[in-house]
Amino acid sequence: SQTIHQWPATLVQPVGSPLSLECTVEGTSNPNLYWYRQAAGRGLQLLFYSVGIGQISSEVPQNLSASRPQDRQFILSSKKLLLSDSGFYLCAWSVGEGWEKLFFGSGTQLSVL
Amino acid sequence: GNSVTQMEGPVTLSEEAFLTINCTYTATGYPSLFWYVQYPGEGLQLLLKATKADDKGSNKGFEATYRKETTSFHLEKGSVQVSDSAVYFCALSPTDSWGKFQFGAGTQVVVTP
Repeated sequence: SQTIHQWPATLVQPVGSPLSLECTVEGTSNPNLYWYRQAAGRGLQLLFYSVGIGQISSEVPQNLSASRPQDRQFILSSKKLLLSDSGFYLCAWSVGEGWEKLFFGSGTQLSVL
Repeated sequence: GNSVTQMEGPVTLSEEAFLTINCTYTATGYPSLFWYVQYPGEGLQLLLKATKADDKGSNKGFEATYRKETTSFHLEKGSVQVSDSAVYFCALSPTDSWGKFQFGAGTQVVVTP
């Protein structure tokens, strides 16, 4: 069966520090991978989307970047965090046609202080 | 662009009451439509989906009908339980941006005994 791992679960970082959140998927090949952010009191915002290794689509101009060094690995990064980067970050994957459902990781609660 | 608008919460109901959560969308073509649910302390999971006009998605007593003419996908349940307390997200997967799911802001539902 397929599983998705996302870590860490919580993270507290000072403003200006770097960020690296990692997500890996098991049990499937060539998944579509996503990073979403859920800010307090707001819905899910699609940040990045990837259909394959090295292929990243950025949905929102921001302080973050994403990379996909391996087929089932998706990394969210920042060189210098801002206060506005605080939020709940979710990794997700899907396969097949665009109507297939998303499978979400357990999320990372990031607090930038 | 593509977007999803859903009613604001929180929605507070008594057990066995009827629940409706309105959702409307803007998209080109014929997107697939979804309802995701986030129970307290858990990750998002798919509740139901509909892939074409007039389709009805159903699961766990919840139903939603894909209405192309009103661009709506309202979620309904005839008799809610305390265990239905959660945040509900309406989402779409557009046909012109395959796999790029767009989510609404979420509606918190609180069911009291």
